[in-house]
Amino acid sequence: GQQVMQIPQYQHVQEGEDFTTYCNSSTTLSNIQWYKQRPGGHPVFLIQLVKSGEVKKQKRLTFQFGEAKKNSSLHITATQTTDVGTYFCAGDPDKLIFGTGTRLQVFP
Amino acid sequence: DAGITQSPRYKITETGRQVTLMCHQTWSHSYMFWYRQDLGHGLRLIYYSAAADITDKGEVPDGYVVSRSKTENFPLTLESATRSQTSVYFCASSWLGSEAFFGQGTRLTVV
Repeated sequence: GQQVMQIPQYQHVQEGEDFTTYCNSSTTLSNIQWYKQRPGGHPVFLIQLVKSGEVKKQKRLTFQFGEAKKNSSLHITATQTTDVGTYFCAGDPDKLIFGTGTRLQVFP
Repeated sequence: DAGITQSPRYKITETGRQVTLMCHQTWSHSYMFWYRQDLGHGLRLIYYSAAADITDKGEVPDGYVVSRSKTENFPLTLESATRSQTSVYFCASSWLGSEAFFGQGTRLTVV
Protein backbone atom coordinates (compact mmCIF):
# COMPACT_ATOMS: atom_id res chain seq x y z
CA GLY A 1 0.00 0.00 0.00
CA GLN A 2 0.88 3.64 -0.13
CA GLN A 3 3.62 4.83 2.17
CA VAL A 4 4.45 8.42 2.98
CA MET A 5 7.77 9.08 4.65
CA GLN A 6 9.05 12.31 6.10
CA ILE A 7 12.55 13.39 6.98
CA PRO A 8 13.94 14.33 9.32
CA GLN A 9 12.04 12.74 12.18
CA TYR A 10 13.23 15.44 14.60
CA GLN A 11 14.81 18.84 14.14
CA HIS A 12 16.09 21.17 16.81
CA VAL A 13 16.91 24.70 15.69
CA GLN A 14 17.88 28.00 17.26
CA GLU A 15 15.26 30.67 16.92
CA GLY A 16 15.89 32.56 13.68
CA GLU A 17 17.32 29.58 11.82
CA ASP A 18 15.55 28.05 8.85
CA PHE A 19 13.84 24.66 8.85
CA THR A 20 12.84 22.25 6.09
CA THR A 21 10.92 18.98 6.19
CA TYR A 22 10.63 16.65 3.23
CA CYS A 23 7.78 14.33 2.34
CA ASN A 24 8.14 11.38 -0.03
CA SER A 25 5.38 9.10 -1.29
CA SER A 26 5.78 5.65 -2.78
CA THR A 27 2.98 6.46 -5.23
CA THR A 28 1.92 9.47 -7.29
CA LEU A 29 -0.42 11.74 -5.36
CA SER A 30 -3.39 13.64 -6.74
CA ASN A 31 -2.75 16.31 -4.14
CA ILE A 32 -0.89 16.79 -0.88
CA GLN A 33 -1.90 18.50 2.31
CA TRP A 34 0.18 19.80 5.20
CA TYR A 35 -0.88 19.88 8.84
CA LYS A 36 0.64 21.19 12.05
CA GLN A 37 0.11 19.63 15.46
CA ARG A 38 1.10 21.59 18.53
CA PRO A 39 2.20 19.58 21.59
CA GLY A 40 -0.90 18.15 23.26
CA GLY A 41 -3.15 19.33 20.43
CA HIS A 42 -4.78 17.97 17.34
CA PRO A 43 -3.61 18.33 13.72
CA VAL A 44 -4.61 21.58 12.04
CA PHE A 45 -4.70 22.05 8.28
CA LEU A 46 -2.11 24.41 6.80
CA ILE A 47 -2.36 24.13 3.03
CA GLN A 48 -3.14 21.94 0.03
CA LEU A 49 -1.07 21.61 -3.15
CA VAL A 50 -2.60 20.17 -6.28
CA LYS A 51 -0.52 20.99 -9.35
CA SER A 52 2.81 19.50 -10.35
CA GLY A 53 5.61 21.87 -9.37
CA GLU A 54 3.26 24.10 -7.38
CA VAL A 55 4.75 26.51 -4.85
CA LYS A 56 2.67 28.29 -2.23
CA LYS A 57 3.68 30.70 0.50
CA GLN A 58 2.11 31.57 3.82
CA LYS A 59 4.15 34.32 5.46
CA ARG A 60 7.37 32.55 6.52
CA LEU A 61 6.22 29.12 5.28
CA THR A 62 6.91 27.92 1.73
CA PHE A 63 5.35 24.73 0.41
CA GLN A 64 6.41 22.89 -2.75
CA PHE A 65 4.91 19.98 -4.66
CA GLY A 66 7.34 17.99 -6.77
CA GLU A 67 7.16 17.76 -10.54
CA ALA A 68 6.37 14.04 -10.37
CA LYS A 69 3.80 14.63 -7.60
CA LYS A 70 5.53 12.10 -5.38
CA ASN A 71 7.30 14.48 -3.03
CA SER A 72 6.78 17.75 -1.25
CA SER A 73 8.58 20.07 1.13
CA LEU A 74 7.79 22.65 3.77
CA HIS A 75 10.35 25.35 4.47
CA ILE A 76 10.11 27.79 7.37
CA THR A 77 12.26 30.90 7.20
CA ALA A 78 13.56 32.42 10.43
CA THR A 79 11.84 30.08 12.85
CA GLN A 80 10.06 31.39 15.91
CA THR A 81 9.11 29.63 19.14
CA THR A 82 5.52 29.61 17.93
CA ASP A 83 6.58 27.24 15.12
CA VAL A 84 7.14 24.43 17.64
CA GLY A 85 5.13 21.32 16.84
CA THR A 86 4.98 18.34 14.54
CA TYR A 87 4.46 18.90 10.83
CA PHE A 88 2.71 16.25 8.80
CA CYS A 89 2.11 15.82 5.11
CA ALA A 90 -0.89 13.81 3.95
CA GLY A 91 -1.79 12.37 0.58
CA ASP A 92 -4.42 10.25 -1.12
CA PRO A 93 -7.45 12.44 -0.38
CA ASP A 94 -10.03 9.68 0.05
CA LYS A 95 -7.91 7.74 2.55
CA LEU A 96 -5.88 10.71 3.84
CA ILE A 97 -2.72 8.79 4.66
CA PHE A 98 -0.38 10.80 6.85
CA GLY A 99 3.36 10.94 6.68
CA THR A 100 5.47 10.00 9.66
CA GLY A 101 5.84 13.63 10.72
CA THR A 102 8.73 15.92 11.63
CA ARG A 103 8.89 17.25 15.17
CA LEU A 104 10.32 20.76 15.31
CA GLN A 105 11.78 22.19 18.48
CA VAL A 106 12.88 25.82 18.52
CA PHE A 107 15.24 27.11 21.18
CA PRO A 108 15.07 30.83 22.03
CA ASP B 1 -22.16 24.14 18.17
CA ALA B 2 -20.67 23.49 14.78
CA GLY B 3 -17.63 21.31 14.66
CA ILE B 4 -16.37 17.84 15.34
CA THR B 5 -16.49 16.38 18.81
CA GLN B 6 -15.09 13.21 20.30
CA SER B 7 -16.17 11.50 23.47
CA PRO B 8 -14.97 10.57 25.93
CA ARG B 9 -11.79 12.67 26.11
CA TYR B 10 -10.16 10.18 28.47
CA LYS B 11 -10.93 6.53 29.05
CA ILE B 12 -9.35 3.79 31.12
CA THR B 13 -10.55 0.27 30.42
CA GLU B 14 -9.49 -3.25 31.25
CA THR B 15 -8.05 -5.79 28.88
CA GLY B 16 -10.78 -7.78 27.16
CA ARG B 17 -13.54 -5.21 27.58
CA GLN B 18 -15.43 -3.67 24.73
CA VAL B 19 -15.13 0.09 24.43
CA THR B 20 -16.66 2.53 21.95
CA LEU B 21 -15.25 5.90 21.06
CA MET B 22 -17.71 8.40 19.66
CA CYS B 23 -17.24 10.97 16.92
CA HIS B 24 -19.84 13.51 15.82
CA GLN B 25 -19.58 16.23 13.18
CA THR B 26 -22.05 18.95 12.31
CA TRP B 27 -20.88 19.90 8.81
CA SER B 28 -22.43 16.92 6.98
CA HIS B 29 -18.97 16.10 5.61
CA SER B 30 -19.05 12.99 3.47
CA TYR B 31 -15.68 11.66 4.63
CA MET B 32 -14.79 10.62 8.15
CA PHE B 33 -11.60 9.06 9.44
CA TRP B 34 -10.25 7.38 12.55
CA TYR B 35 -6.55 7.56 13.43
CA ARG B 36 -4.41 6.37 16.27
CA GLN B 37 -1.32 8.26 17.33
CA ASP B 38 1.54 6.61 19.16
CA LEU B 39 5.01 7.94 19.87
CA GLY B 40 7.24 7.22 16.93
CA HIS B 41 4.39 6.22 14.61
CA GLY B 42 2.71 9.47 13.68
CA LEU B 43 -0.93 9.25 12.67
CA ARG B 44 -2.02 5.85 11.41
CA LEU B 45 -5.34 5.42 9.65
CA ILE B 46 -7.59 2.79 11.22
CA TYR B 47 -10.79 3.08 9.19
CA TYR B 48 -12.40 5.64 6.96
CA SER B 49 -15.82 6.25 5.50
CA ALA B 50 -16.77 7.96 2.26
CA ALA B 51 -20.47 8.24 3.12
CA ALA B 52 -23.12 6.76 5.36
CA ASP B 53 -23.07 2.96 5.21
CA ILE B 54 -19.74 2.95 3.36
CA THR B 55 -16.64 2.11 5.38
CA ASP B 56 -13.22 0.80 4.47
CA LYS B 57 -10.07 -0.40 6.18
CA GLY B 58 -7.08 1.83 6.64
CA GLU B 59 -3.51 0.95 7.58
CA VAL B 60 -4.15 -0.67 10.98
CA PRO B 61 -7.75 -1.99 11.15
CA ASP B 62 -7.22 -5.20 13.15
CA GLY B 63 -9.07 -5.25 16.47
CA TYR B 64 -11.38 -2.36 15.53
CA VAL B 65 -14.91 -2.12 14.18
CA VAL B 66 -16.68 0.93 12.79
CA SER B 67 -20.15 1.78 11.61
CA ARG B 68 -21.72 4.77 9.96
CA SER B 69 -25.48 4.60 9.95
CA LYS B 70 -25.78 8.41 9.94
CA THR B 71 -23.61 10.90 8.09
CA GLU B 72 -22.73 12.82 11.24
CA ASN B 73 -21.62 9.92 13.45
CA PHE B 74 -18.71 7.54 13.10
CA PRO B 75 -18.19 5.41 16.23
CA LEU B 76 -15.09 3.27 16.68
CA THR B 77 -15.39 0.08 18.73
CA LEU B 78 -12.63 -1.98 20.25
CA GLU B 79 -14.36 -5.33 20.62
CA SER B 80 -11.87 -6.79 23.07
CA ALA B 81 -9.35 -4.18 24.17
CA THR B 82 -5.67 -5.07 24.39
CA ARG B 83 -2.80 -3.14 25.97
CA SER B 84 -1.36 -2.52 22.50
CA GLN B 85 -4.45 -0.42 21.78
CA THR B 86 -3.45 2.11 24.40
CA SER B 87 -3.13 5.26 22.32
CA VAL B 88 -4.54 8.65 21.46
CA TYR B 89 -7.37 8.34 18.95
CA PHE B 90 -8.33 11.13 16.59
CA CYS B 91 -11.43 11.41 14.49
CA ALA B 92 -11.52 13.71 11.44
CA SER B 93 -14.00 14.74 8.78
CA SER B 94 -13.78 16.40 5.39
CA TRP B 95 -15.20 16.78 1.92
CA LEU B 96 -13.30 14.74 -0.66
CA GLY B 97 -10.05 16.48 -1.50
CA SER B 98 -10.54 19.26 1.04
CA GLU B 99 -9.00 20.04 4.39
CA ALA B 100 -9.75 17.66 7.21
CA PHE B 101 -10.97 18.88 10.58
CA PHE B 102 -9.88 16.93 13.62
CA GLY B 103 -11.53 16.33 16.94
CA GLN B 104 -9.72 16.98 20.20
CA GLY B 105 -8.77 13.34 20.55
CA THR B 106 -9.51 10.54 23.01
CA ARG B 107 -6.73 9.27 25.24
CA LEU B 108 -7.39 5.58 25.81
CA THR B 109 -5.51 3.51 28.35
CA VAL B 110 -5.98 -0.26 28.47
CA VAL B 111 -4.82 -1.81 31.72
